[in-house]
Amino acid sequence: EVQLVQSGAEVKEPGESLRISCKGSGYNFSNYWITWVRQMPGKGLEWMGRIDPSDSDTHYSPSFQGHVTISADKSISTAYLHWSSLKASDSAMYYCARIRRYSSIPWFDPWGQGTLVTVSS
Amino acid sequence: DIQMTQSPSSLSASVGDRVTITCRASQSISSYVNWYQQKPGKAPKVLIYAASSFQSGVPLRFSGSGSGTVFTLTISSLQPEDFATYYCQQSYSARSTFGGGTRVEIK
Repeated sequence: EVQLVQSGAEVKEPGESLRISCKGSGYNFSNYWITWVRQMPGKGLEWMGRIDPSDSDTHYSPSFQGHVTISADKSISTAYLHWSSLKASDSAMYYCARIRRYSSIPWFDPWGQGTLVTVSS
Repeated sequence: DIQMTQSPSSLSASVGDRVTITCRASQSISSYVNWYQQKPGKAPKVLIYAASSFQSGVPLRFSGSGSGTVFTLTISSLQPEDFATYYCQQSYSARSTFGGGTRVEIK
């Protein structure tokens, strides 16, 4: 079974750093890009960026560029989302997902279970 | 960025009703649209990809259509387990974007 399992909920203070993870199993991790999606409380889905685990090539939404870093370690089939300095506005649920393609059309499947990040002083 | 305008933002319907949700893209995006269902406290899951292709395991009462700028998701006969929020997504651009969501509630 193809699965993405994310790390557990985090509670941090503003200014702290954080890295959350997304571990893939049931498929060749290097063969599929991984993407990250934010969902703020009671709100919709926002695409943050993606990574190609085979060469760590990344692409970010302008809304998130410079504030988060996406990385991957293909040797352990894990992708990461990193903040160097958290803000209260980063409080949200974060999902990773695998990017699949059909005739060059990408879609996200499966999704991880989500990691809730709470930033509060 | 390509904007995806989804309508309605919410609707109330009864079990057995036919439900249609529409997504309009700010520019032509061929068939680069996917539809997701999200239940409270759960991750989204794909229902339809490439505008009209069925994801394995998804009930056939869900269908998608459209091309260019207007896309629809149809639930032919609403079931109790279908009450959820639905999102469209464009993947035409390298910077993917989602519609604002449609919350389907019980009438």
